[in-house]
Amino acid sequence: GNSVTQMEGPVTLSEEAFLTINCTYTATGYPSLFWYVQYPGEGLQLLLKATKADDKGSNKGFEATYRKETTSFHLEKGSVQVSDSAVYFCALSVSQGAQKLVFGQGTRLTINP
Amino acid sequence: ETGVTQSPTHLIKTRGQQVTLRCSSQSGHNTVSWYQQALGQGPQFIFQYYREEENGRGNFPPRFSGLQFPNYSSELNVNALELDDSALYLCASSRIAGGPLEQYFGPGTRLTVT
Repeated sequence: GNSVTQMEGPVTLSEEAFLTINCTYTATGYPSLFWYVQYPGEGLQLLLKATKADDKGSNKGFEATYRKETTSFHLEKGSVQVSDSAVYFCALSVSQGAQKLVFGQGTRLTINP
Repeated sequence: ETGVTQSPTHLIKTRGQQVTLRCSSQSGHNTVSWYQQALGQGPQFIFQYYREEENGRGNFPPRFSGLQFPNYSSELNVNALELDDSALYLCASSRIAGGPLEQYFGPGTRLTVT
């Protein structure tokens, strides 16, 4: 079946630190991969996506590269800010009938000033 | 461009009752998906509607049902509420069904079952 495994949280960093949140997946077929972010009390916002192997998604200083050989889609940011504090979800989508998202369990990130 | 909206924001129900949650999709989108997010967990797919028909379903019992209307808005109905149904219910819309497309989420409805 399809599944996503994320790095266990919570993660706490100081402002301007380098961020990596690990994500690996298992999928039948050729998934598209996504990172969503959830700020306190809000719904999910799409952060970035990649639809095929070796694609790099990027947005707001965040990047993730679709690695088929390691079935990974790790999220990185070179210098985090306090405003990046949120819960981050890795997800995949496979086009088999309904286009549904399969999410990881989420990683809570806290950035201290 | 109007985003995805959901109503109500919060509600509290008693075990055994029925509840209806509503979602208006983003302008230009014709597919609506519903997800259940338990506290501290990732969202779980409930079902998806495309052209007013259920287009796929996750591992949820039949007491979870839905509708999609001609204007692409949608309802999620849950009968015989159980305590474990307490969660954030998220609606997401997308442009067409079947492809690796982006889904845009609403703010969610927080359901508490007592």
